[in-house]
Amino acid sequence: DVKVTQSSRYLVKRTGEKVFLECVQDMDHENMFWYRQDPGLGLRLIYFSYDVKMKEKGDIPEGYSVSREKKERFSLILESASTNQTSMYLCASSLPGQGYTEAFFGQGTRLTVV
Amino acid sequence: AQSVTQPDIHITVSEGASLELRCNYSYGATPYLFWYVQSPGQGLQLLLKYFSGDTLVQGIKGFEAEFKRSQSSFNLRKPSVHWSDAAEYFCAVGNGGATNKLIFGTGTLLAVQP
Repeated sequence: DVKVTQSSRYLVKRTGEKVFLECVQDMDHENMFWYRQDPGLGLRLIYFSYDVKMKEKGDIPEGYSVSREKKERFSLILESASTNQTSMYLCASSLPGQGYTEAFFGQGTRLTVV
Repeated sequence: AQSVTQPDIHITVSEGASLELRCNYSYGATPYLFWYVQSPGQGLQLLLKYFSGDTLVQGIKGFEAEFKRSQSSFNLRKPSVHWSDAAEYFCAVGNGGATNKLIFGTGTLLAVQP
């Protein structure tokens, strides 16, 4: 089974802190994604990566950056956390393809910024 | 631009009753369509997917979905709902490219009455 593991289930950080959310997948997938989930807004794509050291902005990249130094690991970085970044963050991975290969999701990290 | 609409934010059904969750998409080419389920506090699990062939797709947990190109719809159905089906359901469309990005709807929260 594909496994996508997010390092924390719950995280509480202070405004202005630099925050790292870590995600690891064990199926040698090329693609990795970070989504943010908010009530009534569904999942919105923050960043994605299609190869090591390669990244592209999603729909809501402002206030975030990412790092992918190894194929299996994709990190989301909040450079200076703000209260409006309180949310559920979901990591996913998939194979490259013609869109029919599904994305596999981690359990999510619920981040609270106080 | 591709988009997904789930018109029903919240649905309540009685256990044993039938279920239909609506999903409409906007996409210029052949869509790659997915339904995911999220139980409380969990990540997303794939229920089923469609990319070609038979327009009626069978998934896990007794769910099925029908692709109707003329209506740009991909509605999810189940003939008899169980209490364990209470969850949030997300419809998504894939962009069909190598990066395999998914665009999600805003979700439908399903409550099941005993």
